[in-house]
Amino acid sequence: DAKTTQPNSMESNEEEPVHLPCNHSTISGTDYIHWYRQLPSQGPEYVIHGLTSNVNNRMASLAIAEDRKSSTLILHRATLRDAAVYYCILSGPGGGADGLTFGKGTHLIIQP
Amino acid sequence: DAGVIQSPRHEVTEMGQEVTLRCKPISGHNSLFWYRQTMMRGLELLIYFNNNVPIDDSGMPEDRFSAKMPNASFSTLKIQPSEPRDSAVYFCASSLRGFSTGELFFGEGSRLTVL
Repeated sequence: DAKTTQPNSMESNEEEPVHLPCNHSTISGTDYIHWYRQLPSQGPEYVIHGLTSNVNNRMASLAIAEDRKSSTLILHRATLRDAAVYYCILSGPGGGADGLTFGKGTHLIIQP
Repeated sequence: DAGVIQSPRHEVTEMGQEVTLRCKPISGHNSLFWYRQTMMRGLELLIYFNNNVPIDDSGMPEDRFSAKMPNASFSTLKIQPSEPRDSAVYFCASSLRGFSTGELFFGEGSRLTVL
């Protein structure tokens, strides 16, 4: 199974950028990197995903290392509403269940 | 679109009772996922369906758990008999293109308490 490693928690200040790291040293060449987040008392929500190139959307940016063994989710300007648990997950294109377990993620705390 | 709809939102039952959780995926989505979340184990995949067919149920903890998807717009997760260790939040999610390249849309969850 392709697995990821994330810090248990991180703290940042409001209106500052946040860089959330994820290590996935056993990633295969066809695994996509996904990020989801879960706000308190809600279901997880999609943030971003990518394969090799860096990706940007309205919520965040995803920076993928050249060797793809790690990635970083970047929140450019954190707000209090970004306080959540962030999950980094890998999945292959074959539709298999490997990597579909979210684990415990990183608990992001935003200080006003 | 109303999103993924789960019911009930909260369920309190006694050990030994049967529990049925329900999920209505987003219309047109062809993949459906059942997850369980606890403090100890985080968010775990229990089973997922593609085009109403169960693809992988290796995450189902034991024979007390069963899941069905009789049609594209409805799925159930049943626990019989329930035990206190089954207490958790159960999430249903659906996707248009599966997990790998698509986006999962989660429901608000069903919080189960087994006394």
